[in-house]
Amino acid sequence: TQLLEQSPQFLSIQEGENLTVYCNSSSVFSSLQWYRQEPGEGPVLLVTVVTGGEVKKLKRLTFQFGDARKDSSLHITAAQTGDTGLYLCAVVGFGNEKLTFGTGTRLTIIP
Amino acid sequence: KAGVTQTPRYLIKTRGQQVTLSCSPISGHRSVSWYQQTPGQGLQFLFEYFSETQRNKGNFPGRFSGRQFSNSRSEMNVSTLELGDSALYLCASSLTGGPKIQYFGAGTRLSVL
Repeated sequence: TQLLEQSPQFLSIQEGENLTVYCNSSSVFSSLQWYRQEPGEGPVLLVTVVTGGEVKKLKRLTFQFGDARKDSSLHITAAQTGDTGLYLCAVVGFGNEKLTFGTGTRLTIIP
Repeated sequence: KAGVTQTPRYLIKTRGQQVTLSCSPISGHRSVSWYQQTPGQGLQFLFEYFSETQRNKGNFPGRFSGRQFSNSRSEMNVSTLELGDSALYLCASSLTGGPKIQYFGAGTRLSVL
């Protein structure tokens, strides 16, 4: 059983559309991170959320940490081809320093 | 500032062989973590080294080992390679421990034939 489930697994949309991807778990976490990984590269950290209910914005990207600290969402407004990539959420549990990654959402933006 | 450098970028080995992968962290970073990424299992934590000591370990067999040198460079070794070891191996460095900001290298893609 995966600790962190991301949905959808694959998403392909037209440039200019909006989208939301999700990261869900049955466990509570101290913090959650979102990464984007492009082909041939390692993941790059986009944001870290720490407080339940927290919302962070990074240009066209909006990240939300669930009130119960078990889930998170990433919303992209007016998607661009440069948003194409694998989106990964990762969590740090309480009392340990290991990052556990989700299953990933592979996003393709069609020009 | 140079990023995390992993060498080699690509590697082809046969079953039963062993392999050593190298990671040079960002200058000043003392923590190096290793991950295995496969299509089926995703990104899985192997181990973390901090100041030459293994601080955390994932659920991988003893064939997977690592070490860190005094200059914070790290190596990962896989002995008696199996077909299932084919994967992208990623190294990440961070300044210190704790819930951390990790900077990833581009990875070493290992193919076991």
